[in-house]
Amino acid sequence: AQRVTQPEKLLSVFKGAPVELKCNYSYSGSPELFWYVQYSRQRLQLLLRHISRESIKGFTADLNKGETSFHLKKPFAQEEDSAMYYCALSGLQGGSEKLVFGKGTKLTVNP
Amino acid sequence: DARVTQTPRHKVTEMGQEVTMRCQPILGHNTVFWYRQTMMQGLELLAYFRNRAPLDDSGMPKDRFSAEMPDATLATLKIQPSEPRDSAVYFCASGLGGVGTEAFFGQGTRLTVV
Repeated sequence: AQRVTQPEKLLSVFKGAPVELKCNYSYSGSPELFWYVQYSRQRLQLLLRHISRESIKGFTADLNKGETSFHLKKPFAQEEDSAMYYCALSGLQGGSEKLVFGKGTKLTVNP
Repeated sequence: DARVTQTPRHKVTEMGQEVTMRCQPILGHNTVFWYRQTMMQGLELLAYFRNRAPLDDSGMPKDRFSAEMPDATLATLKIQPSEPRDSAVYFCASGLGGVGTEAFFGQGTRLTVV
């Protein structure tokens, strides 16, 4: 079964500090991993996906298959990064693909 | 700017009443997801459809929840009878399907059952 674990429900950092949001996954096949973000009063939206290997808003995430992790990192956090972050995994289960989310981490960047 | 539209945005109902939530997926998207968001459980996948056919609804309490796609432009999620523990934000998302494709979310329906 697919499973995504985000161990931190809350994460608080100061502006300019590095930030890392942790994500671990459980999946027997080759996963497709994503980070979605939900800013206050906005809809959930895609932040980045591992397959594109891009940096969005200064965030990067590297898939580590050995550690089954897909941690989200940013070297210098900004106040506008405060939001709810969800790690998600897309994979085949029972012949059809599912998109499963972790429970989310609420990031607060303090001035 | 194509977006997923959900109605109503807010719903307060009494325990035991039927609740129907509606979703209009983005035109051309063939996959529709229903998620429930709570503080404790985060985003739980309730059900999803491909080309209007239900692929998986194992996350949904079968005795009271039902999900349908009467046509390609409408997905519905019904709760009958509703209970206070159903209070949550219900999200619909649509996509082009396939592993690794992006899901586009609606703004959600905030349901309160009193």
